Amino acid sequence: AQRVTQPEKLLSVFKGAPVELKCNYSYSGSPELFWYVQYSRQRLQLLLRHISRESIKGFTADLNKGETSFHLKKPFAQEEDSAMYYCALKSGGSYIPTFGRGTSLIVHP
Amino acid sequence: NAGVTQTPKFQVLKTGQSMTLQCAQDMNHNSMYWYRQDPGMGLRLIYYSASEGTTDKGEVPNGYNVSRLNKREFSLRLESAAPSQTSVYFCASSEEGTVYNSPLHFGNGTRLTVT
Repeated sequence: AQRVTQPEKLLSVFKGAPVELKCNYSYSGSPELFWYVQYSRQRLQLLLRHISRESIKGFTADLNKGETSFHLKKPFAQEEDSAMYYCALKSGGSYIPTFGRGTSLIVHP
Repeated sequence: NAGVTQTPKFQVLKTGQSMTLQCAQDMNHNSMYWYRQDPGMGLRLIYYSASEGTTDKGEVPNGYNVSRLNKREFSLRLESAAPSQTSVYFCASSEEGTVYNSPLHFGNGTRLTVT
């Protein structure tokens, strides 16, 4: 069975500090991993996916198959980054993504 | 291009009442989903529909029914609401089935309170 673990319910940092939101997964095959973000009173939206290997809003995430992790990183947090972040995993051919429980990021001024 | 549209945005029900949450997408996606979002529990899949005419149970289907009316619309029905169904409900769609491992597109959510 596939599983996604986001160990931190809440992450609180100050503006300008580095931020890392952790995501670990368990899946024996080749996973497709995503980060979704939900800003206050807005819909969930895709932030980035590992296959794209791109940086969105200064965030990056690298798939580490050895550690089965897909941590989301940003070198300098901004107040507008405050949101709920969900890591999600899809296995090959599955219609159903598995979501982690989410991490609430609060960036203080 | 509206994307995924959900109605209503808010609803208050009394225990035992029924209601249907509506969802429509205009992106010609094959797959549609219903999730509930609860604090500390993340997103849990209620039902999904891989294509028009098919529906399957997700992680937490009890107390819910769904209808994939056509390719655009996927409704969620609570036949006899219970306080445990107080939650925020999200509809989503994706190109899965056409595009391998495609991401989800979400609606704005319905905040449901059952008293």
